[in-house]
Amino acid sequence: DTGVSQNPRHKITKRGQNVTFRCDPISEHNRLYWYRQTLGQGPEFLTYFQNEAQLEKSRLLSDRFSAERPKGSFSTLEIQRTEQGDSAMYLCASSFRGGSTDTQYFGPGTRLTVL
Amino acid sequence: SQQGEEDPQALSIQEGENATMNCSYKTSINNLQWYRQNSGRGLVHLILIRSNEREKHSGRLRVTLDTSKKSSSLLITASRAADTASYFCATDRGTGNQFYFGTGTSLTVIP
Repeated sequence: DTGVSQNPRHKITKRGQNVTFRCDPISEHNRLYWYRQTLGQGPEFLTYFQNEAQLEKSRLLSDRFSAERPKGSFSTLEIQRTEQGDSAMYLCASSFRGGSTDTQYFGPGTRLTVL
Repeated sequence: SQQGEEDPQALSIQEGENATMNCSYKTSINNLQWYRQNSGRGLVHLILIRSNEREKHSGRLRVTLDTSKKSSSLLITASRAADTASYFCATDRGTGNQFYFGTGTSLTVIP
């Protein structure tokens, strides 16, 4: 068990560019979540998958954001036409639904800076 | 949207002292969890307490839950400099799906 990994750890981009982040969950976990965290705030839910199905999306997830989990393993989060307000830490978490707890295990995050 | 609110927002104590932080939330829950976050890093799960539990211990951590008051507390005993971090409570609003985090308590333990 190597934990949840995220790549890249840091991304600096210019406004208007597209960016894509990757999350690799803990291998036996069937649920994967994306959160966004801005400075001084707690994480805010964006979306989650159970296996490859995207089951819920927050209204924070504008149409510039898209997430996929094509084979029920890793996931990608793409932001198109980035804006300065997209600058934040993007956190991925995974959990096993069907176990005795719903504990979500978090990755180290990808810090996005939009110039 | 944030579900909970931690209190205090910031706490500074001497090494060896106990630290208590509180979390209030707004809706019914299945469970409540506490996480720690070191500056600029991901969140580390500390402890989960279910809605039918009132108190739980894990090492130097003690968590209480009062569902009638919709509040929880996290006590860290015999604090260490390495405990310096932000602490968040997270609830599931009864859905068991997404977590709703509070705004966090920033704890500083002075050696």
